[in-house]
Amino acid sequence: AQSVTQPDIHITVSEGASLELRCNYSYGATPYLFWYVQSPGQGLQLLLKYFSGDTLVQGIKGFEAEFKRSQSSFNLRKPSVHWSDAAEYFCAVVPGYGGSQGNLIFGKGTKLSVKP
Amino acid sequence: DVKVTQSSRYLVKRTGEKVFLECVQDMDHENMFWYRQDPGLGLRLIYFSYDVKMKEKGDIPEGYSVSREKKERFSLILESASTNQTSMYLCASLGDGSSYEQYFGPGTRLTVT
Repeated sequence: AQSVTQPDIHITVSEGASLELRCNYSYGATPYLFWYVQSPGQGLQLLLKYFSGDTLVQGIKGFEAEFKRSQSSFNLRKPSVHWSDAAEYFCAVVPGYGGSQGNLIFGKGTKLSVKP
Repeated sequence: DVKVTQSSRYLVKRTGEKVFLECVQDMDHENMFWYRQDPGLGLRLIYFSYDVKMKEKGDIPEGYSVSREKKERFSLILESASTNQTSMYLCASLGDGSSYEQYFGPGTRLTVT
């Protein structure tokens, strides 16, 4: 079945440490890939997206993500985490076939806690 | 600046009541979506609309209906609210074109007692 997997439900990192959040997808064609962030009590904000081209994409707030076709992965990274990064992060895909109306398929999310 | 607004941030309703959740976008977007978000389940698509008066079922449409009479407004209706519809509801909009970036409202946290 087509799916998006975020293997880590909850991650805790120390402020200033590096961060990697994992995302794997199971679609035949290369989908369009997104990372969204949701701060407590808020809606979702787009961090970055990948459609084609350079497999390392830069986003807002110092985040980046790397698309690896061979691993069907799109992991999110940040070299130094700030306390304000504590939030829930969602990986999402638009399947790479026509007629999907842009429907996003979401992973179940990874909650990030930041220790002082 | 892009804006999607939802009529209520918090809502408490009783079992059996008819509930309306309203969503308005000011970006002249064709596509609008309703999701529900539950802990450990992520976001699940309830309904979407790609034009006025057009609607399509998403993954979990049971117990819900929608209305899109104007381009900027997309309403989610719970005909007879039940406790298992207690959840966070998120609305989003998407323009035509190739960006596929959905813009989200702040969400409505609905509690059905």
